[in-house]
Amino acid sequence: GENVEQHPSTLSVQEGDSAVIKCTYSDSASNYFPWYKQELGKGPQLIIDIRSNVGEKKDQRIAVTLNKTAKHFSLHITETQPEDSAVYFCAASSMYNNNDMRFGAGTRLTVKP
Amino acid sequence: DGGITQSPKYLFRKEGQNVTLSCEQNLNHDAMYWYRQDPGQGLRLIYYSQIVNDFQKGDIAEGYSVSREKKESFPLTVTSAQKNPTAFYLCASSIGAASTEAFFGQGTRLTVV
Repeated sequence: GENVEQHPSTLSVQEGDSAVIKCTYSDSASNYFPWYKQELGKGPQLIIDIRSNVGEKKDQRIAVTLNKTAKHFSLHITETQPEDSAVYFCAASSMYNNNDMRFGAGTRLTVKP
Repeated sequence: DGGITQSPKYLFRKEGQNVTLSCEQNLNHDAMYWYRQDPGQGLRLIYYSQIVNDFQKGDIAEGYSVSREKKESFPLTVTSAQKNPTAFYLCASSIGAASTEAFFGQGTRLTVV
């Protein structure tokens, strides 16, 4: 089955700096890669996703890149703000079965004002 | 407002007791899921259901049971057979097709006392 690894587990940046979180996956059949943001005591919320037919997707200050050959994808947050502080999860799922979605262990991002 | 609702937010259970966590969605989604979240770990799949009256075990189903009698509802029972039930439980739903977004509830924190 799919195995998703996520790094780093914690990340601290100054407000205005960029933050990068990286994930690798093992199953070459995976074709959907969402990123979720989880604030304290709440459920995760989708912030951006990418499918395997594109290499990059951007939404304002957030971007995701995908390298299918190397089986890794990354989340980039530019001009970070204190409200970006949260736990971020990457995930990967197979084109054959959405119930096979696997999550990374999470990255706790702290943006210092 | 469409969404997915979990209740209660906090739950305390004595050892040896069964307890049921509620999950309701009004998104008209076919698929529903239960995940367990422990500190420093990703979300682990307990059970999922793709359609009413049908459900499948996930990676860590032992000590848990579910039912799916209505499309809107997917309750999770944590039985006394679950040896380490203290955790944060998340319910999610999706339209059911492969490679689609999962919508999460706010979670239930279960503590065994």
